[in-house]
Amino acid sequence: AQSVTQLDSHVSVSEGTPVLLRCNYSSSYSPSLFWYVQHPNKGLQLLLKYTSAATLVKGINGFEAEFKKSETSFHLTKPSAHMSDAAEYFCVVSDQGGKLIFGQGTELSVKP
Amino acid sequence: GAGVSQTPSNKVTEKGKYVELRCDPISGHTALYWYRQSLGQGPEFLIYFQGTGAADDSGLPNDRFFAVRPEGSVSTLKIQRTERGDSAVYLCASSQTRTGGIGELFFGEGSRLTVL
Repeated sequence: AQSVTQLDSHVSVSEGTPVLLRCNYSSSYSPSLFWYVQHPNKGLQLLLKYTSAATLVKGINGFEAEFKKSETSFHLTKPSAHMSDAAEYFCVVSDQGGKLIFGQGTELSVKP
Repeated sequence: GAGVSQTPSNKVTEKGKYVELRCDPISGHTALYWYRQSLGQGPEFLIYFQGTGAADDSGLPNDRFFAVRPEGSVSTLKIQRTERGDSAVYLCASSQTRTGGIGELFFGEGSRLTVL
């Protein structure tokens, strides 16, 4: 069965410093992986997706993620955090039936 | 509208009552998903429709939960004999096609259900 594990429930960074949100996945086949963001009182929004093309995936708002099969990881990064990046981030894997399986989420706080 | 619309945005009910939550997907999207998100958790899959039929209802927790999509557009999630443990945000999402690992799900803002 497919699953994802987000290694940190909460990450705090200062504005202008790099962001790293860690995700490990488990899948019996070549997975499709996603990162979604959820701002308070807003709907979930797709940040980026990996679908077996380039292993380095660029998303919106300067975020990117690298698929590493050898490490079964799909960590999300951003070179410089902005206050508006404060939100809940979900790592997601798609199962063979097409439904999305979400991780527990990582809350990102950005300090001025 | 341009996005996925869910009503009501908030629903407070008493234990044992019946509740209906409505989802209006993006026009033309054939796939529709229901998820449930409890406080501090990631969204949990409930059911997926392709057109009018439920393609996968493996996430429905028990027979008190039921969902329909009679005309392949609007969907209603129905909860009978509500329990306090049903309190959560119920999320609806739609997609142009069955995701199959390459599509994008567009989510609504959710219906927050509180069972007293």
